[in-house]
Parts: sequence; structure tokens; C-alpha cells
Amino acid sequence: LAKTTQPISMDSYEGQEVNITCSHNNIATNDYITWYQQFPSQGPRFIIQGYKTKVTNEVASLFIPADRKSSTLSLPRVSLSDTAVYYCLVGDPYSGTYKYIFGTGTRLKVLA
Amino acid sequence: EAGVTQSPTHLIKTRGQQATLRCSPISGHTSVYWYQQALGLGLQFLLWYDEGEERNRGNFPPRFSGRQFPNYSSELNVNALELEDSALYLCASSSDLGETQYFGPGTRLLVL
Repeated sequence: LAKTTQPISMDSYEGQEVNITCSHNNIATNDYITWYQQFPSQGPRFIIQGYKTKVTNEVASLFIPADRKSSTLSLPRVSLSDTAVYYCLVGDPYSGTYKYIFGTGTRLKVLA
Repeated sequence: EAGVTQSPTHLIKTRGQQATLRCSPISGHTSVYWYQQALGLGLQFLLWYDEGEERNRGNFPPRFSGRQFPNYSSELNVNALELEDSALYLCASSSDLGETQYFGPGTRLLVL
């Protein structure tokens, strides 16, 4: 199973772009990279998923270098409501043996 | 469309008792996942059910068990409760293998 490493916490100010990097040195060929967001006392919410290069949706971008040993979640112009814990998951979601390992995540605090 | 629902929202038990937690997936979703989130820790994958069968389980003792009913709802049973079982238990559902998981609000279990 690919182990992930993320910063424990980050602070940012409203309006700034926030980049959260996840390291996954032993990512396997069939593994995807998925990011979830969790607010206090709520279940996580899917943000974005990618396999290689760059993926963008209405809330975030995901940058994956060619070696795929790391990935960066980019949140443009954060607001106070983006204060949450962000989890990086690596694994093959199409595999029946995939164990969804969330880890401890990155606690993002957005300041006014 | 209704999201994933869980009941009860809170549950208080004493050591040695049994707890039963319930989850109703989004209509049309056949996969149900259970996670444990102890205070200050990340999500730990517990169980995955699909089409009524247990597909995978995380590193938890056998006293954590569950089942999925023909209507795809699910129960998580925790026997012989221990103090460290106190946590937020989250249920998620997806429409198919590899598809996005949608989380419920969780059941907060307190073992005294």
C-alpha cells in the first residue's frame, strides 16, 4: 500500500492560493491520487482525483509530476470557509483489495 | 436527492456492551463503507460491503462486524466495547467500484 506524507498543518490568508503537497514515493502503476476535505463533525467530501499531469475542476487543481511520487492540491483564492482538514489518498479504487487509508491529513486554517 | 444517512447521531454505552450503528446509502448506491475516526486521528477504514457481501476489511479485531441488507442499507456492530472504541463512525456509499464515496454525518459513540 502506498504510504502518504502530508504536512500536519498550514495557515493561509483569505484570497491567497494554497498548495498542499502529498508525498507518495511507492505509488503503484494502477494507483490514483484522491483528495478529500473534512469539516469538523462532518464526513469527508470528495474534492478531486487524478492519475497524472494536471486535473482541474470548479474547486481545485491537482498537479502530478511525471514520476507521480508526489502531488499538489491547489486551492485558488481561499476563503474562511475553506478551513478544514485535507486528506490525500493513494490507491487503486478499482481494485477489490483497496483499503482506503486516509491518514491524519493536513489541517488548513484560513485567516482573515 | 437524499444523501447518506446514519443513526443514531450519538450513542453512549458502557464497557463490555454492544453497539449497533446504521447507515442508509444514497439511492442507487450498492457499496457501503465504514470508517472509524478517533479524536485527533485520521479516518481508519473498517469495512466495505457491496451487493450484500463483505468485500474488504481494515485492521480491526473481529468484534467489529457488520452486514448489508437487500436494500443496501448497512449495520455496523461493535461487540465487547472498549473505552478506545469511542470515536466518530462514518459511513460512505458509492455507486460502483472506483466511484466517488459520499459520506454521511457520522455516529458519535462514547464508551464509558
